[in-house]
Amino acid sequence: GQQLNQSPQSMFIQEGEDVSMNCTSSSIFNTWLWYKQDPGEGPVLLIALYKAGELTSNGRLTAQFGITRKDSFLNISASIPSDVGIYFCAGQFNYGGSQGNLIFGKGTKLSVKP
Amino acid sequence: SQTIHQWPATLVQPVGSPLSLECTVEGTSNPNLYWYRQAAGRGLQLLFYSVGIGQISSEVPQNLSASRPQDRQFILSSKKLLLSDSGFYLCAWSVGGNSGNTIYFGEGSWLTVV
Repeated sequence: GQQLNQSPQSMFIQEGEDVSMNCTSSSIFNTWLWYKQDPGEGPVLLIALYKAGELTSNGRLTAQFGITRKDSFLNISASIPSDVGIYFCAGQFNYGGSQGNLIFGKGTKLSVKP
Repeated sequence: SQTIHQWPATLVQPVGSPLSLECTVEGTSNPNLYWYRQAAGRGLQLLFYSVGIGQISSEVPQNLSASRPQDRQFILSSKKLLLSDSGFYLCAWSVGGNSGNTIYFGEGSWLTVV
């Protein structure tokens, strides 16, 4: 079946530093999504990508849909303490007019030191 | 705008007792509905999804069941809880049919089986 690898598993960085995380899949996806989850809450959608090569920003966050359609990255610039949380990537493949279920990465836990 | 709510937010139940978690979506019609489980704050596991009233697909065999008695209502149940059912349960929705790929999550429900 389809697999999705997210890395790194965790990051511990200094406030102000830039952050980069990525996901790779064993097969191509038509959609890439990035979520952030705060402790004890549901994941919140950050960025949605629907086209290979697409580069989208949301404030200090930037995400790209890889040209091969098998990978995506998320960058956070100038990190701040409230960036702490777990970041999930998710991918989806549509086939024959039917959409498959989202496949989630295992998350990147981000810790920011003031 | 669309909203999703699930309850209760936290639940402590003895082994062997029944379970009922409820989720409702407002502001949209005929959504796709999902139940996910998350253990230890990492990794989202899809349990059930539904594309319409009375239509339930199970992704993994387990001690749980799901029902969709109304268009925007999704219920997660168990007749007899096991210790291994403890975890963070998330309800989610997406636009119905093949036109929407993005999933939006509820606030989550913490279940502790003792």
